[in-house]
Amino acid sequence: DQQVKQNSPSLSVQEGRISILNCDYTNSMFDYFLWYKKYPAEGPTFLISISSIKDKNEDGRFTVFLNKSAKHLSLHIVPSQPGDSAVYFCAASAAWTGNQFYFGTGTSLTVIP
Amino acid sequence: DTAVSQTPKYLVTQMGNDKSIKCEQNLGHDTMYWYKQDSKKFLKIMFSYNNKELIINETVPNRFSPKSPDKAHLNLHINSLELGDSAVYFCASSQVLGSYEQYFGPGTRLTVT
Repeated sequence: DQQVKQNSPSLSVQEGRISILNCDYTNSMFDYFLWYKKYPAEGPTFLISISSIKDKNEDGRFTVFLNKSAKHLSLHIVPSQPGDSAVYFCAASAAWTGNQFYFGTGTSLTVIP
Repeated sequence: DTAVSQTPKYLVTQMGNDKSIKCEQNLGHDTMYWYKQDSKKFLKIMFSYNNKELIINETVPNRFSPKSPDKAHLNLHINSLELGDSAVYFCASSQVLGSYEQYFGPGTRLTVT
């Protein structure tokens, strides 16, 4: 069962523009959400997170928005840079899962110089 | 200096064989994990382990067993390998069990022929 979904397998954006990566989840009990970034031949690295008590968290060029009623979160990268080209995974977690992560299948972002 | 390392990076083996993947972390973390990323890119938790507790994802066959000689190492043993075991296996660690920020190794691509 796929509790976290990233329906866009790939996204291309021009350098300097905004990248918006989307993620949907099915279980309203999830209370913590994370984005991980993965370069080829490397493991995922933590990027940014948000608790369900918030609807926005910002860290430099990266902002995550959470819409609990829609069970949707998004990652905004602005301005996008070529070094942002990577696969982005969203993940959801909750106390009832033992804080285990449920990952989406990833979105491959390409930032075109 | 790699924080979480795995060996080997690639492993090709035949059905029925027994193999091990090694993982080491030099972060001083208490908890280590094994994840499996299958051909559909789903990244799923297999095990969470610290010196007190092993949490096994119930979907993991008992042919898979984690073994931890010490806090810095969590090796994955797989018996009687099957074609469906072909995947990329990621090791990860976190400061404590249930911590949201996990540090991943580069992955081991296992191919069973």
